[in-house]
Amino acid sequence: AQSVTQLDSHVSVSEGTPVLLRCNYSSSYSPSLFWYVQHPNKGLQLLLKYTSAATLVKGINGFEAEFKKSETSFHLTKPSAHMSDAAEYFCVVRGNTGFQKLVFGTGTRLLVSP
Amino acid sequence: DGGITQSPKYLFRKEGQNVTLSCEQNLNHDAMYWYRQDPGQGLRLIYYSQIVNDFQKGDIAEGYSVSREKKESFPLTVTSAQKNPTAFYLCASTPSQWRGNEKLFFGSGTQLSVL
Repeated sequence: AQSVTQLDSHVSVSEGTPVLLRCNYSSSYSPSLFWYVQHPNKGLQLLLKYTSAATLVKGINGFEAEFKKSETSFHLTKPSAHMSDAAEYFCVVRGNTGFQKLVFGTGTRLLVSP
Repeated sequence: DGGITQSPKYLFRKEGQNVTLSCEQNLNHDAMYWYRQDPGQGLRLIYYSQIVNDFQKGDIAEGYSVSREKKESFPLTVTSAQKNPTAFYLCASTPSQWRGNEKLFFGSGTQLSVL
């Protein structure tokens, strides 16, 4: 079965410094992976997705993620944090059999200080 | 603007009461989903529907019921059998489940609390 592990429940950065949100996946085949962002009391919004094309995926708002098969990782990065980036981020893996259910990680809350 | 509308934003349930959460979409999407979100946990799938008049149980369907009589509507009823209903409920949709790799479009959620 597919699963994802988000290694940090909270990450704190200062505005203008780099962001790194870590995600490891478990899958018996080449997975489809996603990062979603959720601002307080809102629904989730897709940041980016990996679908076995380029291993470096660029998303919205300056975020990007790199798929590393050897490390089973799909970490989310941004060169310079902005106050508006403060939110909860979810790493997600998609199954490829039957319903192709999305499996969500437990989330990482990003705190950005001035 | 196209999107998903969930109502109400906040809902309170009394002991033994059934409550219904509304989800409406004007995106012309075939597939719709209900997720439950608890603090510190990822989203868990309650029910999903691939097409009108069809729906399937997700991972945590016990204590919940749904209907899909119209393409644009997918209401969720939290029954009295759900003993721990306090959570944030999210409705989502995709154009078609079977194309794969398509993003979920989410509503803004309903916070359900028990009085």
